[in-house]
Amino acid sequence: DTGVSQNPRHKITKRGQNVTFRCDPISEHNRLYWYRQTLGQGPEFLTYFQNEAQLEKSRLLSDRFSAERPKGSFSTLEIQRTEQGDSAMYLCASSFGTALSPLHFGNGTRLTVT
Amino acid sequence: QQPVQSPQAVILREGEDAVINCSSSKALYSVHWYRQKHGEAPVFLMILLKGGEQKGHEKISASFNEKKQQSSLYLTASQLSYSGTYFCGINPRGNSGNTPLVFGKGTRLSVIA
Repeated sequence: DTGVSQNPRHKITKRGQNVTFRCDPISEHNRLYWYRQTLGQGPEFLTYFQNEAQLEKSRLLSDRFSAERPKGSFSTLEIQRTEQGDSAMYLCASSFGTALSPLHFGNGTRLTVT
Repeated sequence: QQPVQSPQAVILREGEDAVINCSSSKALYSVHWYRQKHGEAPVFLMILLKGGEQKGHEKISASFNEKKQQSSLYLTASQLSYSGTYFCGINPRGNSGNTPLVFGKGTRLSVIA
C-alpha cells in the first residue's frame, strides 16, 4: 500500500490560466473522490468516480471544473480560466466504496491563483 | 446538510479529557471521524454505523446516537500527539451508506504540556 499520491504539491498560476492536477489512488480502490479545502474549513465534496464512471458532481462545481478517470486508475482534475476564488487545497481520496470503507486521502495540491 | 461540530476549538493540558460533538439535521447512516495535522492530509480514525455502536482507537472512542442524529468523539488522557483538527464526515442520505461524505468545519484541538 503506497498510499494516495497527488501531483503537483503546489501550483501557483495567474488568473485566467488553466491548471491540471493528478491523483493516483490506492490501486485496489475502486472509488476516487475529489474534495476542496480552504483555510479553517472541512473538506468540501467536488466529484467522485466508481471505477471510470463519474457518479456525481457537486452543484457547487462550476463548468470550469472537469475531472476524468480514464481506465479507472489515476484521475485528473482540470480548472479552466482560474479565478482567485479557486485558491484552495485540492484533496484526492480513494476507498473501496462500501459503507464501512474509510477514505484514504492524499497530501493534496495547494493551488494559489494570483 | 453540513454537520455542525462543537466546540470549534479546545485547548487541553496533557492528560485531560475532551469531547467533540457532531450533529446533523438529517437522519444518519454512518459517521466517520478524521484527524488532520497542520499541513497534512486527514487521517481516518473510525467509522460508526447506525445502531449506537461505540468504537475505539487508542484512547479515542466515539459513540453514535441515531435518535439524536449525533456522534461524539471522546479523547481520554490526551497526549501531545492528539493535537490537530478533528472532522466528522456524515453520510446524509440515510439508507445506502454509500454516498460521498459531507464534512463538518472541524474542531481544532491543541494539547499543551
